[in-house]
Amino acid sequence: KQEVTQIPAALSVPEGENLVLNCSFTDSAIYNLQWFRQDPGKGLTSLLLIQSSQREQTSGRLNASLDKSSGRSTLYIAASQPGDSATYLCAVRLTGNQFYFGTGTSLTVIP
Amino acid sequence: KAGVTQTPRYLIKTRGQQVTLSCSPISGHRSVSWYQQTPGQGLQFLFEYFSETQRNKGNFPGRFSGRQFSNSRSEMNVSTLELGDSALYLCASSLTSGFSSDTQYFGPGTRLTVL
Repeated sequence: KQEVTQIPAALSVPEGENLVLNCSFTDSAIYNLQWFRQDPGKGLTSLLLIQSSQREQTSGRLNASLDKSSGRSTLYIAASQPGDSATYLCAVRLTGNQFYFGTGTSLTVIP
Repeated sequence: KAGVTQTPRYLIKTRGQQVTLSCSPISGHRSVSWYQQTPGQGLQFLFEYFSETQRNKGNFPGRFSGRQFSNSRSEMNVSTLELGDSALYLCASSLTSGFSSDTQYFGPGTRLTVL
């Protein structure tokens, strides 16, 4: 069974700092990996999707990398802002549309 | 283009009752997936429907069921509610079911409280 782990569980940084969130998964036979953010009491917002054949994706201040062989992905956030405060989740997709979600990293950016 | 909508947003039920949740996907999307989110277990996959057929199913008891209509709208039903069913139920839609480039788009969720 696929297990997805995210480290750290919580992170607090001053505004402007660059940071890295980690995601690891046990089964490397994935179709893709998607990073989401979730604001309190809300649904999930898709940030980046990396297909299994890709190594990284970028969107604005966000960069996500994927290393299938080692079962790892990282989400890099440059020049963090208070508006980035949220819970960040990674999800790996196996067959069909079945996703396995990580435990999440709760990020607080202090003004 | 309108996003994924879920109704109702909040629901309070008592043990033993049943409940039906609704999800309308983004226009043109044919796949709808359901997830349960709890503080203890995180986000867990319930099932996926594509073209009115259940494609995948997570590890949940038979009390959890769903269906999809010809317009791709989906409903999820939970019978004989238990206290542990209290959770945020999220639905997600995507264009297809099986392409690695497909992004899942989530709705705001239905918060179910079982008393």
